[in-house]
Amino acid sequence: GAGVSQSPSNKVTEKGKDVELRCDPISGHTALYWYRQSLGQGLEFLIYFQGNSAPDKSGLPSDRFSAERTGGSVSTLTIQRTQQEDSAVYLCASSPWTAGGYQETQYFGPGTRLLVL
Amino acid sequence: AQTVTQSQPEMSVQEAETVTLSCTYDTSENNYYLFWYKQPPSRQMILVIRQEAYKQQNATENRFSVNFQKAAKSFSLKISDSQLGDTAMYFCAFMKLQDDKIIFGKGTRLHILP
Repeated sequence: GAGVSQSPSNKVTEKGKDVELRCDPISGHTALYWYRQSLGQGLEFLIYFQGNSAPDKSGLPSDRFSAERTGGSVSTLTIQRTQQEDSAVYLCASSPWTAGGYQETQYFGPGTRLLVL
Repeated sequence: AQTVTQSQPEMSVQEAETVTLSCTYDTSENNYYLFWYKQPPSRQMILVIRQEAYKQQNATENRFSVNFQKAAKSFSLKISDSQLGDTAMYFCAFMKLQDDKIIFGKGTRLHILP
């Protein structure tokens, strides 16, 4: 497909379990972002990858959250020992990097709705 | 730090009416981008319109237009001839030029009534 894809679309897990969320960015997009959207709230930045640079992890809420991006394409967000407050929609976005070195508009995936029981 | 404020948590208008969603932001930067994103019940975030701060002309995209007031740091979205499919959450967002993060407002939930 031409857009950003995420899987699974929905995930229900028990408190204390680990979960992995996957994001496939648009082909050729060098930047990839993860956001969290809690019920009725705006988007909270989690982590950002740009090419081969070290990721910006400044938005990760705790050390239970981690993310990696393999081969500059697919990314996985991992939440260890999930808590009920982790329940949210996790959105991934990607964007191209222009020849002028500017970040372009971000294109979002459909999100993964995580429910921690 | 940059902030984005959407003062209208929820709005309702009749189909075919015009509606304006408010957004203000705070920044000391001179060059930046502003966005309006739409999030329908399907959850997919869709870019509605984008404005470069260095452009004085207000961006338009079919029935969607903005009123960009740089000095006032205001960036409102006008939806003309509103349609039922416009029902969604609308997020105003800010990004510094050459920066990595988009700062989002908390959103305005818009209901278009038949």
